[in-house]
Amino acid sequence: QVQLQESGPGLVQPSETLSLTCTVSGGSISSHYWSWIRQPPGKGLEWIGYIYYSGSTNYNPSLKSRVTISVDTSKTQFSLKLISVTTADTAVYYCARGVPSGPYIWFDPWGQGTLVTVSS
Amino acid sequence: DIQMTQSPSSLSASVGDRVTITCRANQSIGIYLNWYQQKPGIAPKVLIYVASTLQSGVPSRFSGSGSGTDFTLTISSLQPEDFATYSCQQTYSTPFTFGPGTKVDIK
Repeated sequence: QVQLQESGPGLVQPSETLSLTCTVSGGSISSHYWSWIRQPPGKGLEWIGYIYYSGSTNYNPSLKSRVTISVDTSKTQFSLKLISVTTADTAVYYCARGVPSGPYIWFDPWGQGTLVTVSS
Repeated sequence: DIQMTQSPSSLSASVGDRVTITCRANQSIGIYLNWYQQKPGIAPKVLIYVASTLQSGVPSRFSGSGSGTDFTLTISSLQPEDFATYSCQQTYSTPFTFGPGTKVDIK
């Protein structure tokens, strides 16, 4: 059974870079879309982007200029970097596996999420 | 971006009640619609994908329907473990977008 676990600092200074890693266990990192999704306190879910195991990426245009998602297949990990953060980036960050079926995709499983607070 | 709305934003119900949650897209998305359940401190999980396909292991009291712009998640007989927030998601086009969520709590 595939499980995902986020890791990284819980506090980031404004204007600095947010860096998170998602470790995939119990399965291969190939042939799926590995995604980051966030949820600001009291708000809805926001899709940040995904990376295919081959390395191709797709980012939310609202974050595209600041975000990079990368994958390390040898470590079965994928990572998120978000530069120049502000307090608006404070959120619970989830990693999730995108499961493709023809033209469709859904996200399962998800990590438990990690709260990242942007504050000085 | 495709905008997703949900109604109601919250509801109170009793164990055994039939619960219906509506999700609407501001343009046609075919059946590119997923439903997720979220509980505090627990990873969200997919309940329904491609509008009406029940995820393996999800109880059959959950069902999804709809196509185009209007979709419904139904819980036929609410159980204590179903008190949670439910969100829809469109994957018709990127950026994938979610509805704001519907919180189901105990009456």
